[in-house]
Amino acid sequence: DGGITQSPKYLFRKEGQNVTLSCEQNLNHDAMYWYRQDPGQGLRLIYYSQIVNDFQKGDIAEGYSVSREKKESFPLTVTSAQKNPTAFYLCASSPQGTTSGGTDTQYFGPGTRLTVL
Amino acid sequence: QKEVEQNSGPLSVPEGAIASLNCTYSDRVSQSFFWYRQYSGKSPELIMSIYSNGDKEDGRFTAQLNKASQYVSLLIRDSQPSDSATYLCAVSGNDMRFGAGTRLTVKP
Repeated sequence: DGGITQSPKYLFRKEGQNVTLSCEQNLNHDAMYWYRQDPGQGLRLIYYSQIVNDFQKGDIAEGYSVSREKKESFPLTVTSAQKNPTAFYLCASSPQGTTSGGTDTQYFGPGTRLTVL
Repeated sequence: QKEVEQNSGPLSVPEGAIASLNCTYSDRVSQSFFWYRQYSGKSPELIMSIYSNGDKEDGRFTAQLNKASQYVSLLIRDSQPSDSATYLCAVSGNDMRFGAGTRLTVKP
């Protein structure tokens, strides 16, 4: 059963704590993405990766870090430097990333809702 | 100016009517266009993609693209209460940009 999984579904963070959100895909997609969604706003890109061991910052990378050690996995760490982390975090993947034909269709995981206590 | 603009709604239509959702974008080199449906508390789900000017139909959904006017729309025919959701427009060029979404309510 192919797809994108994210865990946990809900996560609570205390002040000053780092937390890691998991994202796994078994679609054999090359590219993976992390977005943040706040109420009434569009999706904002945090980080993306088009190949293993390589990733780029998106529009709002400050206070976040990622790794891409395996094609299937793209975990996101929300560090204590992120001052307003409460949001809905969405992981996505696409067969390819950006090519001369534009950015490939993206498919989303179920999301992780992070709340700061 | 926002890169991808949508009317936030809410847009309310009666069951069986046509719902029309609109999106404008600012980047003229945009090449691919997508509509996602997002139910409350859930993640976005791809429902349509369109790449060339004109109309593309898939069941009750029709996407319309006009690159000269930098405009893309989604028509939902025979709207059902299950269509009630937020619809996100996404525009792809060197990266993917999302609108804030239009909330649609279909009343029985």
